[in-house]
Amino acid sequence: GQQVMQIPQYQHVQEGEDFTTYCNSSTTLSNIQWYKQRPGGHPVFLIQLVKSGEVKKQKRLTFQFGEAKKNSSLHITATQTTDVGTYFCAGYPIKAAGNKLTFGGGTRVLVKP
Amino acid sequence: GAVVSQHPSWVICKSGTSVKIECRSLDFQATTMFWYRQFPKQSLMLMATSNEGSKATYEQGVEKDKFLINHASLTLSTLTVTSAHPEDSSFYICSARGLAGIYNEQFFGPGTRLTVL
Repeated sequence: GQQVMQIPQYQHVQEGEDFTTYCNSSTTLSNIQWYKQRPGGHPVFLIQLVKSGEVKKQKRLTFQFGEAKKNSSLHITATQTTDVGTYFCAGYPIKAAGNKLTFGGGTRVLVKP
Repeated sequence: GAVVSQHPSWVICKSGTSVKIECRSLDFQATTMFWYRQFPKQSLMLMATSNEGSKATYEQGVEKDKFLINHASLTLSTLTVTSAHPEDSSFYICSARGLAGIYNEQFFGPGTRLTVL
């Protein structure tokens, strides 16, 4: 079946440093979405990428969709304690029926002050 | 942004009882709602897809007779965990997708933490 993998599973970051989390799909995606879930909270939509090679920025967050539409990345610069949480990528596989959003396993981000 | 509510936010019940969880889209019409469960430190596992006015579509391995889903209106879907057992204890999250497009973002409810004793 279609799988979406995220690496790393855990990311320990010193406050002020940059880091990147990666998302890889076994099949081509129609789009990729990113969500953030704070500890004890629920996933909150961050952004959607649709076009091959698309890059979008939200303040210190940069999202990229791969040329083949099978991978994506999230880069955070100057990490802050407010960035703590689990970041999930999720995508709609092009060839799958039912239009179901498939979630990656998430990258749990811990920030050391 | 769109708001989705869930009720209750947490529930503790005895083994063998049934628990109903409500999911409401407060400021938009949701043609499709999704039910997920999430175990600690794990990803979201899709349980079923619920379309207004029709039967829910369950994922493989999810018992439809145990997890009853009703999507009676464009703003309300309910999940009933029947004859709950301790292994059903989990975080249940619903999400809703609006009329704008099938590939649009999903708006998640705050989740319901179920503990079965």
